[in-house]
Amino acid sequence: QQQVKQSPQSLIVQKGGIPIINCAYENTAFDYFPWYQQFPGKGPALLIAIRPDVSEKKEGRFTISFNKSAKQFSLHIMDSQPGDSATYFCAASVHSTLTFGKGTMLLVS
Amino acid sequence: GAGVSQSPSNKVTEKGKDVELRCDPISGHTALYWYRQSLGQGLEFLIYFQGNSAPDKSGLPSDRFSAERTGGSVSTLTIQRTQQEDSAVYLCASSLEREQYFGPGTRLTVT
Repeated sequence: QQQVKQSPQSLIVQKGGIPIINCAYENTAFDYFPWYQQFPGKGPALLIAIRPDVSEKKEGRFTISFNKSAKQFSLHIMDSQPGDSATYFCAASVHSTLTFGKGTMLLVS
Repeated sequence: GAGVSQSPSNKVTEKGKDVELRCDPISGHTALYWYRQSLGQGLEFLIYFQGNSAPDKSGLPSDRFSAERTGGSVSTLTIQRTQQEDSAVYLCASSLEREQYFGPGTRLTVT
């Protein structure tokens, strides 16, 4: 049973565009939702995280939107740059261990 | 004082051999996690240590996998009698609160 579903699998945007990556979860006990960025050959790096008591969080060019009733959350990258080309993972946790989505490969050309 | 470190960065072993993977967490972090990343399965939780509590081993795929954490710091993940399906990148993470910080991983190839 896949507890966190992520889409799309891959995404190509032009420089300056706003890629949007979506995740949906099933377990209503999840209370922490981070996003990670991973470059080839590197470990995942924490980008931004949100808790279900807020609907939006911004850090620099990265924004998480959270819809508790729909059990969905998404990552928006403003003014995307070629250096943002990476794989992005959403995740969710109850107390400790993370359950990850399958990842989205983003290419900014 | 840097981030999470893991060694070796790459490991090639023959099927049936045992391997040990090491993780040095961020100093002061009380929690340590092991995850496995493979093409077919994405990122999967393996085992979690929190302070002096008994580890959460619920993600270990078989009894060939074990891990220990000595002195609340360094951790070793051991895979016995390696199989080809064990080939993956093994990632370690540590945390003080909810934010988990990952190391660069160990790429294990079983031939």
